[in-house]
Amino acid sequence: QVQLQESGPGLVKPSQTLSLTCTVSGGSISSGGYYWSWIRQHPGKGLEWIGYIYYSGSTDYNPSLKSRLTISVDTSKNQFSLKLSSVTAADTAVYYCASSAYYFDSSGQNYFLDYWGQGTLVTVSS
Amino acid sequence: QSELTQPPSASGTPGQRVTISCSGSSSNIGSNTVNWYQQLPGTAPKLIIYSNNQRPSGVPDRFSGSKSGTSASLAISGLQSEDEADYYCAAWDDSLNGGVFGGGTKVTVL
Repeated sequence: QVQLQESGPGLVKPSQTLSLTCTVSGGSISSGGYYWSWIRQHPGKGLEWIGYIYYSGSTDYNPSLKSRLTISVDTSKNQFSLKLSSVTAADTAVYYCASSAYYFDSSGQNYFLDYWGQGTLVTVSS
Repeated sequence: QSELTQPPSASGTPGQRVTISCSGSSSNIGSNTVNWYQQLPGTAPKLIIYSNNQRPSGVPDRFSGSKSGTSASLAISGLQSEDEADYYCAAWDDSLNGGVFGGGTKVTVL
C-alpha cells in the first residue's frame, strides 16, 4: 500500500515562497499509472484542488493558483514537491499530498485520490 | 464558493439511512465520474466511493453512490456512530481542466 508524507516549514512569511515535499513509500513514482496530487484545506473549510504531476513531469494546475504554482517531481528520491510563491494569509491551510488515478473511459474522466498523506499545516504570518 | 453544491449538514439516528446530495454542471458531474471522501475529525480525507458507485477495498457496503445527470448522491445505510464525519463529493471539471470539490456535508449521528 502506498504511503505519503508531507514535509516542509510550518511557518512562512508573507510574500515568500511556500515549499513542501511529499515522500512516497510502498510504491515507485516512476512506475507510472498514478498521478501525484496536492490538495489544501483552509482552517475550518472545505477541500481545494491544487494540481497534479505525472512522473514524466506533465502537470495540471488549479487556474486560480497557476501563476504562483510549480509542482515538480524527483523520481530518484521518490518525491514530488510544491512551490507556491508570493504567499499571503489566504494561503494558510493544511496541505495534503495524494496519489491519484486519472483515466478516461465510457463514463467520462475518472480522477480520484486514493491514498493521502496526513497533511501539514502551513501558516503564513510575519 | 464550491463548484459542486452539497447541503451543509445531515443527520440521523443509529440504524437509519442518510442520503447526501451533490449538484454540479455539465462540465463536471454531467460529463465525468463522481467520487466521495470521508473526513473524520482531525484526520486526512479517505476515499469511500470512486467512479460514481465503486467502493475501495475495506469500505463497508453500507456506503453506496449513485449519479444521474448533473447530480450525484451518497447513501449511508445502517448509520453508525463512527460514520459521524464530513463528507465531500468531487469530480473532474472539463471547463476548469481540474478537480473540483463540494463544500462538504457534516453528518451527525443523533
